[in-house]
Amino acid sequence: KAGVTQTPRYLIKTRGQQVTLSCSPISGHRSVSWYQQTPGQGLQFLFEYFSETQRNKGNFPGRFSGRQFSNSRSEMNVSTLELGDSALYLCASSALGGTEAFFGQGTRLTVV
Amino acid sequence: GENVEQHPSTLSVQEGDSAVIKCTYSDSASNYFPWYKQELGKRPQLIIDIRSNVGEKKDQRIAVTLNKTAKHFSLHITETQPEDSAVYFCAASRGGTSYGKLTFGQGTILTVHP
Repeated sequence: KAGVTQTPRYLIKTRGQQVTLSCSPISGHRSVSWYQQTPGQGLQFLFEYFSETQRNKGNFPGRFSGRQFSNSRSEMNVSTLELGDSALYLCASSALGGTEAFFGQGTRLTVV
Repeated sequence: GENVEQHPSTLSVQEGDSAVIKCTYSDSASNYFPWYKQELGKRPQLIIDIRSNVGEKKDQRIAVTLNKTAKHFSLHITETQPEDSAVYFCAASRGGTSYGKLTFGQGTILTVHP
């Protein structure tokens, strides 16, 4: 079974630009969660999508948004990028609530 | 919201020693507690998890204990090996529709010296 796949692996963007990250979950998994990982703040929850609906949301500004498609693939968008948005963005998928969350390898975003 | 505190932030042990990492959580409604291991440049991987209806769970050299009353849980690694060196994260979540929302501790950098 293929694991969770995130694309692209690396991104360099300029302040003020916007970016879209993609996450393909394990086949059959309907829940996709997104996390931001930084050395200072650790792993912070952004949002979770389940069956195309945002089910949970973290404490991030509205510049961070996401969506999920009918095939469970998910995208995350960050608009008006700031230097502080530089981070490793991880997505995790799970089959149903209460089962193991499998992480992708992440997208390393650098904002210059 | 939920807050998870993890200690220590760094832990250095000799090969063969035991290592213990502790976490406390604030939300009494939390009932799922996974532990993740993240090696340098790699994705976090689940190593063990425990639910609130269980006090202890073991998997070979790894064990987790949960004290619901005190709202803390701990990871125990026995007979440590150099390949156990990594960053370990504890996490907590509520049940039901909030299972997909994990609140993580700040992480513990474990170094096992040969």
